[in-house]
This record gives sequence, C-alpha cells and structure tokens, in this order.
Amino acid sequence: EDQVTQSPEALRLQEGESSSLNCSYTVSGLRGLFWYRQDPGKGPEFLFTLYSAGEEKEKERLKATLTKKESFLHITAPKPEDSATYLCAVPVGTYKYIFGTGTRLKVLA
Amino acid sequence: GAVVSQHPSRVICKSGTSVKIECRSLDFQATTMFWYRQFPKKSLMLMATSNEGSKATYEQGVEKDKFLINHASLTLSTLTVTSAHPEDSSFYICSARKDRGRDTEAFFGQGTRLTVV
Repeated sequence: EDQVTQSPEALRLQEGESSSLNCSYTVSGLRGLFWYRQDPGKGPEFLFTLYSAGEEKEKERLKATLTKKESFLHITAPKPEDSATYLCAVPVGTYKYIFGTGTRLKVLA
Repeated sequence: GAVVSQHPSRVICKSGTSVKIECRSLDFQATTMFWYRQFPKKSLMLMATSNEGSKATYEQGVEKDKFLINHASLTLSTLTVTSAHPEDSSFYICSARKDRGRDTEAFFGQGTRLTVV
C-alpha cells in the first residue's frame, strides 16, 4: 500500500538550533516527492520537488534531500518565521497525491 | 510560482443551506483540479478530482450529492456543499497542477474555512 509518514509530529527549536524533518515513503515507482509549507489557516505553499535519490535542493535556510526510502528537510539556523507545518507528498496513479500528516515546527526566539 | 486563487476565504452558513467555493488558476490553464478537506492538526484528505468538461472523480467515502463539483472552464472549478450540516465545518483547499516538462507541480489555493451553524 502506498504510504507517506512524517516525523516528528511536532518539533520545538530554539532560534538558531538546526534540525531535520523526516518523510518516509512506500510507493511503487516514485515519480517525485514534494515538500510544502503550510501556515495556520492557509493553503500549502510549494517548496521543493525531488525526483531521484541523491538529489538535493536548497532555499534559504531549507535544504531537501532524497534517498530511496525517505526525504529529509534540513533547517539550518531557523528563525521564528520558519514556524509552520511542513508537509511532504508523493504522486500516485495518474494525478493523486498522498500527503504525510505533517510536522508542526515551532521556532522560539 | 503559479497562482491559484480560492474564494471565499471564510464563510459561515446556516444548517440546510448550500455554499459554493470557487477555485481559479490565475496564470495557467488547469485541466485537472483537486479538492481537499483538512481537519485541525491533520493532513490534507483528497475529496475529489475535478476534470474540465467531464464528471469529477470522487474518493471513497465522499458523497457526490453533498459535494457537487463543476469544472466549467480550464481556469475555474467550483465546490458546492449542499444542505450543509455542522459536521461539514472544515477547511477546504483546492489545488491545480501545472505541467512544466518533467516537473509537474501542484499549487494550492488559500483555503476556505467553512463554519456551519
């Protein structure tokens, strides 16, 4: 069964304290893995797409990496404005996406 | 990135009434749009796939007659919650996919907070 699991469910960091979020997936024939940021009461905002193991992408303090079984979202020296829920998703079938349950990140000043 | 606009952002309605939510792709054509529902502190649950010019494809357990979807043009899909009840209160989000060669990215609307009283 296709599945996406994210951990931890919630994470509290001090400002400047780097950490990583995990997204594990079980899908047949991965056709991309997507990371999104979601602020409370808002729709998800696209961050990255990764397609193959070993691929990395960076944006400001965020770096996403991909292996054959999981993806990591590394946050370097986070700031309070990085506080949000981070979602990963994989496409299955023709159009459908499966989303993980997300990691709620809180960065304390 | 591409822009998907969803309207309204918040709506309060009385039980038994119907509510329409619009989803527009502002700078690209979307033959397929998606409607999600999200419960507090939970992830997105796909409700249905909206196809331009044809019937929507509903996920298992989603009532077709309660959640009416119309994809009248390449830039507009609507979700109508009919005979709304308090248990329909939720956060509804639409999404549209934009094909860019190998990359196919899904862009999301701002979401609609529906409260049924």
